[in-house]
Amino acid sequence: NAGVTQTPKFQVLKTGQSMTLQCAQDMNHNSMYWYRQDPGMGLRLIYYSASEGTTDKGEVPNGYNVSRLNKREFSLRLESAAPSQTSVYFCASVKGRNTEAFFGQGTRLTVV
Amino acid sequence: GENVGLHLPTLSVQEGDNSIINCAYSNSASDYFIWYKQESGKGPQFIIDIRSNMDKRQGQRVTVLLNKTVKHLSLQIAATQPGDSAVYFCAEKAYGQNFVFGPGTRLSVLP
Repeated sequence: NAGVTQTPKFQVLKTGQSMTLQCAQDMNHNSMYWYRQDPGMGLRLIYYSASEGTTDKGEVPNGYNVSRLNKREFSLRLESAAPSQTSVYFCASVKGRNTEAFFGQGTRLTVV
Repeated sequence: GENVGLHLPTLSVQEGDNSIINCAYSNSASDYFIWYKQESGKGPQFIIDIRSNMDKRQGQRVTVLLNKTVKHLSLQIAATQPGDSAVYFCAEKAYGQNFVFGPGTRLSVLP
């Protein structure tokens, strides 16, 4: 099993460009999450999908949109990238209540 | 999560010694806790978890202690090895809510 797979691993964008970060999990998990990680800070939740067909805002949703394409895939879109969105982005999935979150390897995004 | 700025707390230990990493959590309703290890350039990796009906849980070379009275969680690593060098952070979860992650502690293992 591959677990949680994120693409791309690295990306450089110019301010105002758009892009989509892809995430797929092969563990048949119900819930999926997008986090950003900034130096010295804990993971902050951007958006999540508790189950296929539903999405909800997290702590820092501004400037992002998501799509839960199917049970396996959960994508994060930046419509107009800003330097403040320079960060490392992690996708995670969870099987059920009170079980651990499995993380992807991350996407390092730089917006110049 | 709590913002401690750009610099993580660092714990330096000699190879072979025991390490204790601490975490103060914020929500008294949290009933599930996890410790993660994150190596440079990688995603967080699950180490061990504990539910609120327990105060101690042991894994291979790791022990998690939970003190609900003071909302404190600790991770003990026995016989610390160079491969243990990483950032360690805790996560808490309350029913119906999402995980909340701490900022982490950097563990540096000295030869």
